[in-house]
Amino acid sequence: DTEVTQTPKHLVMGMTNKKSLKCEQHMGHRAMYWYKQKAKKPPELMFVYSYEKLSINESVPSRFSPECPNSSLLNLHLHALQPEDSALYLCASSPLDRGSYNEQFFGPGTRLTVL
Amino acid sequence: AQSVTQPDIHITVSEGASLELRCNYSYGATPYLFWYVQSPGQGLQLLLKYFSGDTLVQGIKGFEAEFKRSQSSFNLRKPSVHWSDAAEYFCAVGSPSGGYNKLIFGAGTRLAVHP
Repeated sequence: DTEVTQTPKHLVMGMTNKKSLKCEQHMGHRAMYWYKQKAKKPPELMFVYSYEKLSINESVPSRFSPECPNSSLLNLHLHALQPEDSALYLCASSPLDRGSYNEQFFGPGTRLTVL
Repeated sequence: AQSVTQPDIHITVSEGASLELRCNYSYGATPYLFWYVQSPGQGLQLLLKYFSGDTLVQGIKGFEAEFKRSQSSFNLRKPSVHWSDAAEYFCAVGSPSGGYNKLIFGAGTRLAVHP
């Protein structure tokens, strides 16, 4: 299995809602990533997990809360979002071999709309 | 600081014509370089990568790229474009950190293909 899956594909939520995005991979990768992509822009890194521990938080607002419950799963919990948070949220995973090139595999994304 | 520049925001070619997408990078050490393609509303798919060795790399879908250290460039080429190649193309440089690559993306080039 060489794919990263993301659910849901689309999500519409109000500013007071709490929702979660889910990402799963079964390639044995020990690094997982969340990216945010606005229309006509490149992806922007939000978080990196390595060995299920948060390694990078790119100064993301606390209304986004990542979680890595095991080596195959990555969640992004959303609470009190703003309309400007509407975007495509991409998950990726990669091996964690020190000193080696480690390709990132991307999921199809979750299209989030905040009303 | 690392950066990636894609000078062409939008390119239009005729089906069957050749294609070259430009990418320039700024990076202190030997870079890990990537080209990704993204169809509308989809995730990113890796076309090809370079991290050492032969400076001309072959990728999927008939694409190739040439690494030129003297010009800090990693241009993507295809000899004959197909209508299905219409998409957004991102060049990225990988900044290794503890085993994972932090990807820095260029702004992207949108390719349109005329029949």
